[in-house]
Amino acid sequence: DIQMTQSPSSLSASVGDRVTITCRASQTISSYLNWYQQKPGKAPKLLIYAASNLRSGVPSRFSGSGSGTDFTLTISSLQPEDFATYYCQQSYNTPCTFGQGTKLEIK
Amino acid sequence: QLQLQESGPGLVKPSETLSLTCTVSDGSISSSYYYWGWIRQPPGKGLEWIGNIYYSGSTDYNPSLRSRVSISVDTSENQFSLRLTSVTAGDTAVYYCARRAYSYSSYWYFDLWGRGTLVTVSS
Repeated sequence: DIQMTQSPSSLSASVGDRVTITCRASQTISSYLNWYQQKPGKAPKLLIYAASNLRSGVPSRFSGSGSGTDFTLTISSLQPEDFATYYCQQSYNTPCTFGQGTKLEIK
Repeated sequence: QLQLQESGPGLVKPSETLSLTCTVSDGSISSSYYYWGWIRQPPGKGLEWIGNIYYSGSTDYNPSLRSRVSISVDTSENQFSLRLTSVTAGDTAVYYCARRAYSYSSYWYFDLWGRGTLVTVSS
């Protein structure tokens, strides 16, 4: 299985901050990388697919980049509704696997 | 917009079989563009993919669960179902059903999710 490792595991930031979350794959996955946002008690929501494609309806302050083994999710200016847990997921091969999550908390 | 809803027992005894159904509404499960999947999340932990099914009945499972899992589809009811046998406390989790959609060049992602249902394995 491809292991997905996110860093940091948790992060404290303030409204308006620029935040970057990193996801590293244990082998190359080209651009087969998705990002999800999950709030407590809710299902995950797709933010970014194929590493850098913003899902329709997702605010433009979210962006993704990377290819191969290293990927980033950037939030350019944190809003109160962005405090949540973020997961990366590889869709390169089976089984698809998720990172362990990055919990973004209010400072 | 298409919606997914999980249903089934919230409590299952150890060694028994967990059975859940996902009902698809405001859309057809028989679309050729989508697969339908199950993902679970133990309390306070991360996400684990269980398996997918196509409307034709073709399935794909996580090797870590393959010996205990089966997913089936009922196109007449617009539903797909999960069975997990010989459950233990380690199978306690929120179980989500989700739609797997494709973009260009075979990129795919889970774009719609059910609300999830907590299944506790306990005697």
